Amino acid sequence: DSGVTQTPKHLITATGQRVTLRCSPRSGDLSVYWYQQSLDQGLQFLIQYYNGEERAKGNILERFSAQQFPDLHSELNLSSLELGDSALYFCASSVGDRSYGYTFGSGTRLTVV
Amino acid sequence: AQKITQTQPGMFVQEKEAVTLDCTYDTSDPSYGLFWYKQPSSGEMIFLIYQGSYDQQNATEGRYSLNFQKARKSANLVISASQLGDSAMYFCAMREGGSNSGYALNFGKGTSLLVTP
Repeated sequence: DSGVTQTPKHLITATGQRVTLRCSPRSGDLSVYWYQQSLDQGLQFLIQYYNGEERAKGNILERFSAQQFPDLHSELNLSSLELGDSALYFCASSVGDRSYGYTFGSGTRLTVV
Repeated sequence: AQKITQTQPGMFVQEKEAVTLDCTYDTSDPSYGLFWYKQPSSGEMIFLIYQGSYDQQNATEGRYSLNFQKARKSANLVISASQLGDSAMYFCAMREGGSNSGYALNFGKGTSLLVTP
């Protein structure tokens, strides 16, 4: 157990729907990073939050949004889902926004049908 | 432009042999960090080893060592005495400071390693 908890582990949904992925960072970590892993794009950075504030954005689609709550857990919202959004979504956490110790969760596998 | 390049899509190695997985990187930032992660078929990302750009010595962690050649911008992972459980995808990643993506990791496409008996 890495200490980073992601739920659910698996999610199957239809095109056009909206889903929410949840991440609880390791105790004491203030930064949360979201990544998408797909066969064609590889591992892509989506977005980072630090202590409740958005810190950096990567290749995140406008249909996707995220937030980090006061208890530091984070949610990634994916809407108007398309078949191409099927992927493994990882959350990682680190102590600060400039630290180099990243801990990954086990991921949420999203399948859009 | 690709910041991390892993040129070996797949590699085979016999059990107990050593194997080197290649990684080259591209950055103009003098301060950066290089990481290797292992992803077994179960999907989780397992941290293996880290090398900072200012570190004078090559990083080592048990059977893993990082062959860091700064002038060539390469950070190859060496696995000694391969085990069957080493069969997995291996990703090289880089963290830069001051970029638009903050301090997030930039990953390569990965190398699939198969260890044979």
